[in-house]
Amino acid sequence: NAGVTQTPKFQVLKTGQSMTLQCAQDMNHEYMSWYRQDPGMGLRLIHYSVGAGITDQGEVPNGYNVSRSTTEDFPLRLLSAAPSQTSVYFCASSYETGTELFFGSGTQLSVL
Amino acid sequence: AQSVTQLGSHVSVSEGALVLLRCNYSSSVPPYLFWYVQYPNQGLQLLLKYTTGATLVKGINGFEAEFKKSETSFHLTKPSAHMSDAAEYFCAVSESDSWGKFQFGAGTQVVVTP
Repeated sequence: NAGVTQTPKFQVLKTGQSMTLQCAQDMNHEYMSWYRQDPGMGLRLIHYSVGAGITDQGEVPNGYNVSRSTTEDFPLRLLSAAPSQTSVYFCASSYETGTELFFGSGTQLSVL
Repeated sequence: AQSVTQLGSHVSVSEGALVLLRCNYSSSVPPYLFWYVQYPNQGLQLLLKYTTGATLVKGINGFEAEFKKSETSFHLTKPSAHMSDAAEYFCAVSESDSWGKFQFGAGTQVVVTP
């Protein structure tokens, strides 16, 4: 099992550009989520999904879109990048309520 | 609504000394509690978790944590610090009706000195 795979590992964008962060898991987990990590703020939930076709907003959803067409994939789209979106992004998945999150290795994004 | 407070953003311990990282939470329903560790430039790795049953939970690398409902705490300890314990540690809470949504604390950076 590869676990949770995120691509790319690093990305530099200019303000206003769009991009998609990819996330895939091979553990047949229903629950998938995206977090951003900023110094001193821990991890904050952006969007999450409880199954294919079902997504919902987390704590900091503005400027991001998600979709879940398959159980395996959960891409995160930045519509028009802003410097405030400079962060480290983590995708995570879990089997069910009460079980732990499995994390990808992260994407370091810089928006200039 | 759930929230997590980690006391101390930075902790410095001597090699061989006790490691104590504090975590307090608020939750409207019985919580599931977790500790994660993050090494530089890596993702988060589970150290241990409390879901139900025994309130003293043992994890990897010699860490353990005790769930104290009356104090709404889930402090992490290790009797003897090792240089390899230098990392950032995150406490997290998930609720039974939250569909797997996690609330993370701000993190505690642990430095181990020789």
